[in-house]
Amino acid sequence: GQQVMQIPQYQHVQEGEDFTTYCNSSTTLSNIQWYKQRPGGHPVFLIQLVKSGEVKKQKRLTFQFGEAKKNSSLHITATQTTDVGTYFCAGPKGSARQLTFGSGTQLTVLP
Amino acid sequence: DGGITQSPKYLFRKEGQNVTLSCEQNLNHDAMYWYRQDPGQGLRLIYYSQIVNDFQKGDIAEGYSVSREKKESFPLTVTSAQKNPTAFYLCASSIYFGTYNEQFFGPGTRLTVL
Repeated sequence: GQQVMQIPQYQHVQEGEDFTTYCNSSTTLSNIQWYKQRPGGHPVFLIQLVKSGEVKKQKRLTFQFGEAKKNSSLHITATQTTDVGTYFCAGPKGSARQLTFGSGTQLTVLP
Repeated sequence: DGGITQSPKYLFRKEGQNVTLSCEQNLNHDAMYWYRQDPGQGLRLIYYSQIVNDFQKGDIAEGYSVSREKKESFPLTVTSAQKNPTAFYLCASSIYFGTYNEQFFGPGTRLTVL
C-alpha cells in the first residue's frame, strides 16, 4: 500500500539556524499537504501543493513539490522558538478524500 | 465561531470497558475522520465518513466503531476488543473542492485505559 515517509524523525537546531524536513511517497501524488502540530496541540493545515515542481513561500517557510510528484520538502529559514512542533506531510489516498500522513519531524529550537 | 469540538479532553477508563468519544463540527463539512496518534508517531486513520449514514474503515479500524446519524456529529466508540486503546484520538473534518482537501482538526481526546 501507499507509504509516506518523512526524515528526519527529530531535529534540534539553535535559534536562527535553518531547518528542512523531507517527505517521500511510494506512489505519485496528485497533491501534498503540510501540517504543523504544536506540543500538546492538534495538527493545523499549512499548505497544499498541486503542481509538479511547485514552490510556495509563507514568510520564512518554503514548501517544494518534486518534479515527479513523489517527494516534497519544507524549509524554515532562521528558526524561531515559535517554530517548535511536529511537521507532517500528507498525501491523498484512494478516493483522495483520505490522507496518508507521514510520521512527522519533531523540531526543537534551542534559544 | 466555527470549528470542531471534542470532549472530553482527557478520559480514563478501566480495561474491558467500552468508551465513546464525542466529535461535533459546525463547519458544514461533509467528510469527517477519526485518527489515532501514538507518541512520536504520525496519524493513523481509524474510520472516515463522506456523508451522513455512510462510513468506511480506515487502516486500523479493528476494535473501533462509529456512527454518522447527523452531519455535525461523528462519535467514535473504543470497544473492549481494541487491544491497546491508550492513545491520543483526533477528529477532523474537511470540505472538498476538486483536489483541495484541507482537513480541520479538533483539539483531541487523550484516552488512558488503566
